[in-house]
Amino acid sequence: DAKTTQPPSMDCAEGRAANLPCNHSTISGNEYVYWYRQIHSQGPQYIIHGLKNNETNEMASLIITEDRKSSTLILPHATLRDTAVYYCIVRVPNAGKSTFGDGTTLTVKP
Amino acid sequence: NAGVTQTPKFQVLKTGQSMTLQCAQDMNHEYMSWYRQDPGMGLRLIHYSVGAGITDQGEVPNGYNVSRSTTEDFPLRLLSAAPSQTSVYFCASSYSSAPSIGEQFFGPGTRLTVL
Repeated sequence: DAKTTQPPSMDCAEGRAANLPCNHSTISGNEYVYWYRQIHSQGPQYIIHGLKNNETNEMASLIITEDRKSSTLILPHATLRDTAVYYCIVRVPNAGKSTFGDGTTLTVKP
Repeated sequence: NAGVTQTPKFQVLKTGQSMTLQCAQDMNHEYMSWYRQDPGMGLRLIHYSVGAGITDQGEVPNGYNVSRSTTEDFPLRLLSAAPSQTSVYFCASSYSSAPSIGEQFFGPGTRLTVL
């Protein structure tokens, strides 16, 4: 399974865009990149996923580099409620496995 | 829909005791999985199932058993609890194991302490 590397922590000012990077240099061509977040000790919440094209939904945007070795999750206007641990994972096709790393703790400050 | 439900929310065991953590989903999801999360760490996959009657090991399966007799339920059994199994346990489900449509829904977690 492809491994992911994320910075352990980041800060962002409220109202500004939060850009969370993820390195997945060993990703295979048919593996998807997923992002989840975990607020306090709740169960993780799905945010977005993609294969090679950039994706956008009501929560965030996902930018995947052309070589697919890294991606960036963008929260366009961060709020205090976006303070959470953000996980970038790679989904292996038909294997059913999702391996979560330690994630990035994003702190949104007033 | 209730989504993914887990019981109990909290549990304290003594070393050597056994117990079953319950997980149920009412979304007719094919894929279910169990994770554990130790303090300050990410989630680690224990076991998963791609459908009724089919289970497989994840990253940290030792000391745990699972079965999937129905689509809805995926219980996790601790055979002989050890202090190292003190953790928060999350159950998750998704419509399919296919990564193109594999958004996982997580339950609220069971907080287990083994003394």
